[in-house]
Amino acid sequence: GQNIDQPTEMTATEGAIVQINCTYQTSGFNGLFWYQQHAGEAPTFLSYNVLDGLEEKGRFSSFLSRSKGYSYLLLKELQMKDSASYLCAALSGGYNKLIFGAGTRLAVHP
Amino acid sequence: GAGVSQSPSNKVTEKGKDVELRCDPISGHTALYWYRQRLGQGLEFLIYFQGNSAPDKSGLPSDRFSAERTGESVSTLTIQRTQQEDSAVYLCASSLGPSGSGVHQETQYFGPGTRLLVL
Repeated sequence: GQNIDQPTEMTATEGAIVQINCTYQTSGFNGLFWYQQHAGEAPTFLSYNVLDGLEEKGRFSSFLSRSKGYSYLLLKELQMKDSASYLCAALSGGYNKLIFGAGTRLAVHP
Repeated sequence: GAGVSQSPSNKVTEKGKDVELRCDPISGHTALYWYRQRLGQGLEFLIYFQGNSAPDKSGLPSDRFSAERTGESVSTLTIQRTQQEDSAVYLCASSLGPSGSGVHQETQYFGPGTRLLVL
């Protein structure tokens, strides 16, 4: 079967660092995406990992371990505007459809 | 440039009626995907188009759901005889597909969605 697991909710303080974990089990794995989704809005692309290791992009970094079926999204210097849902999605199969987790709702407090 | 657009943004319909949802992908994107997001849940894959053909329809929940794409651009998702459980946000995404390379080939860009409410 295909399964993506991530925590339902997390809270953090403005200026802090938070790590959102994701484990996956999919057939035909082709890469791992992270999207940000504010309430009532479309998901927006954050990062894409296809090889093992850390990809850094400004305040956001994403890590992938293919052998462990594990990824995390690291958010540094948290800002209030980072309060959103963070969606972990595995690119799967010959047609590269995205298999999404249920999302992690992050609340950033002052 | 313009992103993915969808219309209508909101649709309220009565149970049993048919609805048609439209998606305009990013120009030049050959791959187009439809997803459904129920309230508080993750996105569920519905159908994938490469050009005008749909090689993966495995996510369509029933034969009441169909989709087509013409001219390698606009796609319409049709739901016949709508049911209350069809209420959800329907999201369309496009990517460069095989004509691209690397991260740009695979990255799917989402439209704002159509919020469907079936009464």
